[in-house]
Formats: sequence, structure tokens, C-alpha cells
Amino acid sequence: GDSVTQMEGPVTLSEEAFLTINCTYTATGYPSLFWYVQYPGEGLQLLLKATKADDKGSNKGFEATYRKETTSFHLEKGSVQVSDSAVYFCALSGATNKLIFGTGTLLAVQP
Amino acid sequence: DTGVSQDPRHKITKRGQNVTFRCDPISEHNRLYWYRQTLGQGPEFLTYFQNEAQLEKSRLLSDRFSAERPKGSFSTLEIQRTEQGDSAMYLCASSQNVGTGANVLTFGAGSRLTVL
Repeated sequence: GDSVTQMEGPVTLSEEAFLTINCTYTATGYPSLFWYVQYPGEGLQLLLKATKADDKGSNKGFEATYRKETTSFHLEKGSVQVSDSAVYFCALSGATNKLIFGTGTLLAVQP
Repeated sequence: DTGVSQDPRHKITKRGQNVTFRCDPISEHNRLYWYRQTLGQGPEFLTYFQNEAQLEKSRLLSDRFSAERPKGSFSTLEIQRTEQGDSAMYLCASSQNVGTGANVLTFGAGSRLTVL
């Protein structure tokens, strides 16, 4: 069945460092891909999405490109801030109309 | 629009008791989803509705779990004869079926269940 694999955390960075969180997927057909973020004490929020190959989703300085050839959707940000500290979830939505999530990656940004 | 609302936010119960959670989706959304999240894991799909019809239920879902969406608006998730393994955050989400393109889910803050 469909699945998502993302890098384990925690990822600890200093402020203004470059961030990459890897995400790969397995799916039949052509899923839509998402990154959701969960800030401490808050609910899941959509960060960005991409619906087809080579699409780039972007929001709040974060970017991810839908790579069909490598079945990947890696999350990147050029300069992280303390306020970016959160748990990041990669997810896909395929033919079954439900979101399938990875296990999440905890990001801790230190000043 | 107040987003997706869930009630209660926290529930502590004794093993063997029944619990019920309520979810009020975004009013114009016709799809409603229930997920379960345990510490250190991603949300796990439980079931979803389109309007009042329950279209899919996870095979992992025990018979002790039942969900309803009687009028296609709010939904309830009931857990009967709770077990300690049911302790988790129960998440509700809603979306608008647009037929094509990304099905973007909006999540509520969750209902945390602790079974003693």
C-alpha cells in the first residue's frame, strides 16, 4: 500500500542554518504530496503542497519539489529561525482520498 | 469560520468505560476524517465520511470504535470498553471534495484520551 518515509529526528540546528528534511514515498498512480507542521501545543497545519511531478510548493520560506523520478518531496529552508521549531510531517494523498503520514521529524532551532 | 472544533480537549477515563468525542468541521466541507496519533508517531487514519456516508474504515480499527455523522455536519467517535492502548490524541479533519487536485485537510486541535 501507499506509504511515506521521512528522516528521523530530532534535527537540531542553529539559527540561520540551512534545513533539509528528507521524505520519500511509495504510491500507485500520481499522489498529491504535502508537508504539515505541528507547533508545540497546536494542531496540524498545512505548510505546503504539490499536486504533480516537478511542482514546487512553497510557504514561509520553506520549499519542496515533487520529484517523481526519485519519489521524493524533501523539505528545505535556507535560513531557519527559532520560531520554526516544530514537528514536520510529510504526507501523501492518493486514490483513496485519505492522507497517509510519515512518522514526523522534530526540528529544534537554537538561538 | 472558526475552523475545525473538537470536544472535549482532554478526557481521562478508567479502563472499561465508554467515551465519546465530537467534531464540528468547517461548515462548507463535505468530507470529515478521524485520525489517531500516539507520541512520536504520525497520525494514523481511522475513518472518513463524505456527507453522512461513511466511505472507509481502517482495518486496524477495532469493533469497539464507531463513528457517525448523522446529518452530514458534526461527527462523533465513540470508543466502548476502553483499554489502556486506546490512550492517544484523536484528531478530526475536514475538507471540501473538489474532484480533482489536492484534497487539503484542515485539522482540529485534537482530543487527548488517557485511559487509566
